Formats: sequence, structure tokens, C-alpha cells
Amino acid sequence: AQKITQTQPGMFVQEKEAVTLDCTYDTSDPSYGLFWYKQPSSGEMIFLIYQGSYDQQNATEGRYSLNFQKARKSANLVISASQLGDSAMYFCAMRAGSYQLTFGKGTKLSVIP
Amino acid sequence: NAGVTQTPKFQVLKTGQSMTLQCAQDMNHEYMSWYRQDPGMGLRLIHYSVGAGITDQGEVPNGYNVSRSTTEDFPLRLLSAAPSQTSVYFCASSFGGSSPLHFGNGTRLTVT
Repeated sequence: AQKITQTQPGMFVQEKEAVTLDCTYDTSDPSYGLFWYKQPSSGEMIFLIYQGSYDQQNATEGRYSLNFQKARKSANLVISASQLGDSAMYFCAMRAGSYQLTFGKGTKLSVIP
Repeated sequence: NAGVTQTPKFQVLKTGQSMTLQCAQDMNHEYMSWYRQDPGMGLRLIHYSVGAGITDQGEVPNGYNVSRSTTEDFPLRLLSAAPSQTSVYFCASSFGGSSPLHFGNGTRLTVT
């Protein structure tokens, strides 16, 4: 069985600062992928970034980067230079051995001006 | 450029009523799925399909039925609505592998 754990129900960050959202995962499958999604207050789910278990380098997409530590089974999302529009729920998810994504419970990020 | 289309956006049902949430995608994705989102619970998988004619249960399937007669459509049926089914429902599709899930805009369902 796959499990995703997000231990931070809520986080605050000052505008223009960097923030790290934690995600740990558990799977026995050697091949898996990790995804991060953003859900603003309007409700839509927005895909941010993907990391494959065999990828040699940490994934980056603009201001988003994924700090992938395979031995620790962690896949933390780093947002650099936070903006007010980054205030949202953030979900970590994993796909292992199948099509389905298993989601964590999410972290609510609030950016303070 | 429609992506994943869900209807309706909002629905109110009385206990015991039935209804169908519609989902259609135009990206030729093999995989389609339904999730429900409840406060503090993240997204939980209800049912999924890996192709036309193939469906399977997810984490929370009780009280819901699905069918997949075409690649494009994946409706979710509530057989006899209960207040515990009050939730936001998302349909999503994907090619699988490293391809992300593409989500519809959600259906907010209230059962009274």
C-alpha cells in the first residue's frame, strides 16, 4: 500500500521569502513518481511539478523545486520568492506501479505581505 | 481546449435521491478517476478506469457506481444519496506514468 504524509496542516511565509512544504511517502515499489498540486481558494487543482524515482536530479519548474531525498523517502516542495498568489492548499501525491495517484492531506500556505 | 469537463458545478440532493455526475475528457486519456475531497482528508479515490469497459474500486467506493462505455466519458452515479456523501467531487484523467492527472473543476454536492 502507498501512503503520503504531509505533517504541516498550515504554514505562514513572508512575501518574497522561500518556503518548504514537507512530504514523506511510503511504497515498496522501486518505480514511482511524486507530484505536487496547488489548490487555490477557487478550488481548481493545478499541477506544479513531477519527480520520478529514477531521476538523478531534483525537478525544478520556475519558482518551484522538489527536494527529493530517496533514502529518507521525502519529496519536499520548495517555493522561492513567495508571492501573495501562492496562498493556497498544496497537495503531495504519489503514483506507484499503477495509474492511480494517492494524495496527502495537504498543507495550507498563507503568504503574508 | 476543453480538457476535463464536469457537470454540474453545484447540486443539492435530499437523502435517498439518486443522481449522476458527468465527466468527459477530450485528451484521449486511457485513465480516468473520481475523487472526493473532504476538509482535512485530502483527496480520496472513489473509482477509476484504465480504459473503456474496465473499472475498479478505489479507497471509498461504497454508495457509488461507475461505468466506462467510451474513452471520453466516465459518469459517477450516486445510488441513494446520504448526508455522508456531502463533498466536493473531482474527475481526473491521465496517460499514466509520469503524466500528471488533469482535473475537472469539481462538483460541490450537498445532501440534506
